Amino acid sequence: KQEVTQIPAALSVPEGENLVLNCSFTDSAIYNLQWFRQDPGKGLTSLLLIQSSQREQTSGRLNASLDKSSGRSTLYIAASQPGDSATYLCALPGGATNKLIFGTGTLLAVQP
Amino acid sequence: ETGVTQTPRHLVMGMTNKKSLKCEQHLGHNAMYWYKQSAKKPLELMFVYSLEERVENNSVPSRFSPECPNSSHLFLHLHTLQPEDSALYLCASSQEDSAGNTIYFGEGSWLTVV
Repeated sequence: KQEVTQIPAALSVPEGENLVLNCSFTDSAIYNLQWFRQDPGKGLTSLLLIQSSQREQTSGRLNASLDKSSGRSTLYIAASQPGDSATYLCALPGGATNKLIFGTGTLLAVQP
Repeated sequence: ETGVTQTPRHLVMGMTNKKSLKCEQHLGHNAMYWYKQSAKKPLELMFVYSLEERVENNSVPSRFSPECPNSSHLFLHLHTLQPEDSALYLCASSQEDSAGNTIYFGEGSWLTVV
């Protein structure tokens, strides 16, 4: 059974810092991995999707990497801004492709 | 705007009430989902409809009853709920025809059971 862990649970950084969020998973036989952002009281917004054949994906100041052999993914945020404050979740398919299993998320606060 | 619309955004109901949550997707997807998000817990998949047929039910209590009349609409019928059912209920959709398409979520329906 796939289990997804995110560390740290919460993170506070000053504006402008580069930061890394971590996601670990127990079953390396995955189709893909997705990173999402969730603002308080809102739904989830997909940030990046990495296919199992890829090692990383980039979108603007975000870079997500995937290392299947070690069961890890990281989300790198460059030059953080207060608007980046949100909860970041990673998710992987549990069995079929889009029946996602989520981590508990990392709550990020970027201080101005 | 993600193309997935949920109503109502907030709902307060008594334990003896019957209510429904509605979800509509405008993305032409063929799969829709209900997820439950409780405080301090990971999102839990409740139901999946693919090509309008329910393909998975993760042992959700029978007081939650899904309905998918067509590929664009999904309902979650609620009856005799318990206070522990209070949570954010998220609808999502995706195109399930390859090994990895982005899933799109609605804004969620906040449910409080009193």
